[in-house]
Amino acid sequence: KAGVTQTPRYLIKTRGQQVTLSCSPISGHRSVSWYQQTPGQGLQFLFEYFSETQRNKGNFPGRFSGRQFSNSRSEMNVSTLELGDSALYLCASSLVTGTAYEQYFGPGTRLTVT
Amino acid sequence: GESVGLHLPTLSVQEGDNSIINCAYSNSASDYFIWYKQESGKGPQFIIDIRSNMDKRQGQRVTVLLNKTVKHLSLQIAATQPGDSAVYFCAENPPGNQFYFGTGTSLTVIP
Repeated sequence: KAGVTQTPRYLIKTRGQQVTLSCSPISGHRSVSWYQQTPGQGLQFLFEYFSETQRNKGNFPGRFSGRQFSNSRSEMNVSTLELGDSALYLCASSLVTGTAYEQYFGPGTRLTVT
Repeated sequence: GESVGLHLPTLSVQEGDNSIINCAYSNSASDYFIWYKQESGKGPQFIIDIRSNMDKRQGQRVTVLLNKTVKHLSLQIAATQPGDSAVYFCAENPPGNQFYFGTGTSLTVIP
């Protein structure tokens, strides 16, 4: 079956703009987590959604938000972009939440803020 | 002082040799662990997982060892191939919580 898909794959935005990234999980997976990956900080957890509810949230400012739809697809939004938001944004899906299940990643969206 | 960037541990091995990549995790309550492989420009790829009620798990050419006493994971890759060159991450999962990732180890396979 198809893996986790993310769109767009690459994005260039200007400081102050906002951006929306999309993630479609593996069919049947109901948990979607978002991560930011940078050379300086590694992989950092943003938030997790399960059944349209945010279940966990990392230590990021309120400019970072997300949502999940009834078909488990998820979007994350970053408002008022800053140069430091340039990163690879990764989405990962899992069958369930709160327990030990495999988590699979998508290819990521490379965001560049100029 | 302030960190200016991650300094990934690096490992270089000769093609055909075995590789051992190590990871120290932080939470003694973590009961599930995953090893990921990330190639340049791609998302992390699931390699193998292990639950805390096990000490060892084997996959195809890979073995994960878990030592809960010292909170240590290792990934062994047998007969390392050039295609194994990548960054390898371990991830720990405390019950009911998010995954936490290590900084990664960069593996280079020398043909």
